[in-house]
Amino acid sequence: QKEVEQDPGPLSVPEGAIVSLNCTYSNSAFQYFMWYRQYSRKGPELLMYTYSSGNKEDGRFTAQVDKSSKYISLFIRDSQPSDSATYLCAMRAVTGNQFYFGTGTSLTVIP
Amino acid sequence: DTEVTQTPKHLVMGMTNKKSLKCEQHMGHRAMYWYKQKAKKPPELMFVYSYEKLSINESVPSRFSPECPNSSLLNLHLHALQPEDSALYLCASSQGLLARAQGGNEQFFGPGTRLTVL
Repeated sequence: QKEVEQDPGPLSVPEGAIVSLNCTYSNSAFQYFMWYRQYSRKGPELLMYTYSSGNKEDGRFTAQVDKSSKYISLFIRDSQPSDSATYLCAMRAVTGNQFYFGTGTSLTVIP
Repeated sequence: DTEVTQTPKHLVMGMTNKKSLKCEQHMGHRAMYWYKQKAKKPPELMFVYSYEKLSINESVPSRFSPECPNSSLLNLHLHALQPEDSALYLCASSQGLLARAQGGNEQFFGPGTRLTVL
């Protein structure tokens, strides 16, 4: 079983839709959770960072962590064509300096 | 400033060449990483340096040789590569080995070097 599971998509939505992206994980030691956006042929860009359980909002983006279910989500409101990219979830434990990545979800927002 | 810089942006090399990739960060981070990323795949960890010492080597072939000259710089020396080594090479940094409560544990990536081996 992989440490982190993420549906690769592809996901295609109309402009203005609410997008929900999800990851599940198996290691209960994970405490720090990240979402990255990666445009084609570019490096991943950190979008959201959350610690332990709860919600965090930043503009049109909301990150949720449910540690009891080992499930994290990223919601994008009022999606724009510029949101078309691959979204990677990543997480790490308290100790160790290794980050574990999902496989990435490819998102296309259609104008 | 949350910037990690990488040079060059693109590199084409033959199988007998020797070249180096460079990475720099000025965030005071003490952990630096090299990843390899193939198309439509997540980043694959190669090496981790913690406080300028090699902490993790994910069984990477010896034709890849990392170096951390100081806390801000990370190099990846390439020699006798194979065409299957063509990929996007990403550098990243984070604060350090031990995560702190709540803040400062995220990882920042550079833009990558797109490597083509002929």
